[in-house]
Amino acid sequence: DIQMTQSPSSLSASVGDRVTITCRASQDINNYLAWFQQKPGKAPKSLIYAASSLQGGVPSKFSGSGSGTDFTLTISSLQPEDFATYYCQQYYSYPYTFGQGTKLEIK
Amino acid sequence: EVQLVESGGGLVQPGGSLRLSCAASGFTFSSDGMNWVRQAPGKGLEWVSYIGSSSSVVYYADSVKGRFTISRDNAKNSLYLQMNSLRGEDTAVYYCARLRPIEDWGQGTLVTVSS
Repeated sequence: DIQMTQSPSSLSASVGDRVTITCRASQDINNYLAWFQQKPGKAPKSLIYAASSLQGGVPSKFSGSGSGTDFTLTISSLQPEDFATYYCQQYYSYPYTFGQGTKLEIK
Repeated sequence: EVQLVESGGGLVQPGGSLRLSCAASGFTFSSDGMNWVRQAPGKGLEWVSYIGSSSSVVYYADSVKGRFTISRDNAKNSLYLQMNSLRGEDTAVYYCARLRPIEDWGQGTLVTVSS
């Protein structure tokens, strides 16, 4: 199975900051990488697919990059509604594994 | 608007069975692959199973293989997850999710396995 490792596991930032979350795959997954946002008690929301393509309706403050084994999610100009947990997922091969999550908290 | 509504969760004893359903609307269900993803209390997301649009392709996580069965009824716009031989570690919120990569999620249904 492909292991997905996110860093950091948690992150404190202030409103207006720009933050970057990293996701590393244990083997080459090309660009078959998605990012999700989840708020407490809510279902996840799809943000990005194919490493850098935004899902419909997702604001351009979210951006993704990377290919192969190393990927990043960047969120610019943090707003209160952006504080949540973020997950990456590879869909290159089954089982489609998730990273362990990165909790973004308000400083 | 895409809507995915899960149902069928509840409390079940270890070793028991439960069948989850997901009612889909707002898109052409018969054209899209579907997933089940779960989340244990306080834990991260775990992909559970995928079924192709015509049911010809199915995949399972190792943790549920041989115990869970994914199926769908395209005439009823419904996705199912039959869960047998349930264990405490299967306790989770179960989400149905559309497409690969996932584009839409349901609100989830809680399954609690406990005596």
